[in-house]
Amino acid sequence: DAGVTQSPTHLIKTRGQQVTLRCSPKSGHDTVSWYQQALGQGPQFIFQYYEEEERQRGNFPDRFSGHQFPNYSSELNVNALLLGDSALYLCASSPTSASGIYNEQFFGPGTRLTVL
Amino acid sequence: AQSVAQPEDQVNVAEGNPLTVKCTYSVSGNPYLFWYVQYPNRGLQFLLKYITGDNLVKGSYGFEAEFNKSQTSFHLKKPSALVSDSALYFCAVRDRANDYKLSFGAGTTVTVRA
Repeated sequence: DAGVTQSPTHLIKTRGQQVTLRCSPKSGHDTVSWYQQALGQGPQFIFQYYEEEERQRGNFPDRFSGHQFPNYSSELNVNALLLGDSALYLCASSPTSASGIYNEQFFGPGTRLTVL
Repeated sequence: AQSVAQPEDQVNVAEGNPLTVKCTYSVSGNPYLFWYVQYPNRGLQFLLKYITGDNLVKGSYGFEAEFNKSQTSFHLKKPSALVSDSALYFCAVRDRANDYKLSFGAGTTVTVRA
C-alpha cells in the first residue's frame, strides 16, 4: 500500500513566478491537509480539503490556493512567489471516521521549494 | 488559540539511557495530542497519539507518552534509547473545538551517542 506521495521532490523558482505542487493521499483517505515547514521550524497549517472544498484555512495569504479532485488527490498553488516562500511543503492525508474518533494524519515526504 | 511549546531545542543521551522529550500545550477545549518524528530529508512519521482514556499512551518503536492535564504536558519517553532514535521530534495538538488544524511545536533534535 503506497503511502502519501508528493511531486515534485524539489523545485527551484524565481520571485514572482507561480508554482503548483501535487499530492496523492494514502489509499482509503479522503482528507488532505497542506503544511509549510520553514527551515528550523515546525510545520505550519496552510489549509485542509475535504469533499473537494476547503474546510479550514490557516494564516496564509490568498496567494496560497488549492484544489482537491474527485479521486481525493490535491494541488497546492502559490502565486507571486516571495523569497520567504522557500520551505518544505508537506501534504498529509487522513480518513474520515464514521465513529467520530479522530485519526492521525499521515505525511508525505514533502516538496522542497527554493525561491531565488 | 492553540499552541505547543517544546522547551528544549536539543536533547543528548547515551545509548541505553532513558530518553525524555518535553512538550506542553495550550488549547481552549480538550486536546488531541500527537508525537511525530522526522528524519533528514523525510516527511513526518507518526509515533503515537492521545485522544482519551489512559494517560499513558504506547506507540511505535518502544516510545510512550504521558498525558498530564493539570500540567498541560505530553512528554515523550523511551526507557532505553538507540542510536537510530537520533532525529527531529515534533509534538502537535488539535483542539477538539477547532476541529481540523494541527499545531506543531518547533521541534526537538535528539542525538543518541553510542
